[in-house]
Amino acid sequence: ETGVTQTPRHLVMGMTNKKSLKCEQHLGHNAMYWYKQSAKKPLELMFVYNFKEQTENNSVPSRFSPECPNSSHLFLHLHTLQPEDSALYLCASSAQGGQGDGYTFGSGTRLTVV
Amino acid sequence: SQQGEEDPQALSIQEGENATMNCSYKTSINNLQWYRQNSGRGLVHLILIRSNEREKHSGRLRVTLDTSKKSSSLLITASRAADTASYFCATRETSGSRLTFGEGTQLTVNP
Repeated sequence: ETGVTQTPRHLVMGMTNKKSLKCEQHLGHNAMYWYKQSAKKPLELMFVYNFKEQTENNSVPSRFSPECPNSSHLFLHLHTLQPEDSALYLCASSAQGGQGDGYTFGSGTRLTVV
Repeated sequence: SQQGEEDPQALSIQEGENATMNCSYKTSINNLQWYRQNSGRGLVHLILIRSNEREKHSGRLRVTLDTSKKSSSLLITASRAADTASYFCATRETSGSRLTFGEGTQLTVNP
């Protein structure tokens, strides 16, 4: 375990479903991130939260909706997804807003949209 | 365009050999980091090298950074089958806090 826990590990959902991904860290980090990793593509940064406030939205479609109720928890709410949204979704956290520090990643949620 | 690009895309070696992976980037950076990812899992932070450093060691890992050439290399010495994974470089630009990842090198160490 890295200290960043993601649930569920695997998720299969239909295009009309609504589901949520959860990320939790108790490392005392102040910044949390959502990344998307598709086959044969680099990691794509989706959202950044610093001290619970969203500081970056990397032009992510509105069918992905993040929520950060506190510095330890991060959610990604999913609705009306497309098959091309199937990917590994990774959560990460870092200290001090990420300045000069490495990220700690969770194990990811493997999402399949059918 | 991609900030970090790893070379080669894939590398296959025998156990005990050294593995060298390279990373090139385009902009000025604050630091460069290397991560490892086992298949279908999250990334694990291996080592961070700051822009004012030229070389860093951690166990069997050796990282170099050449800011004049905008490149870095990761050397894994005396490789083991358990080193089989994808390795990514990531750069933090001086102008922002974003960490940008390359496409990775898939390393296979054959027993």
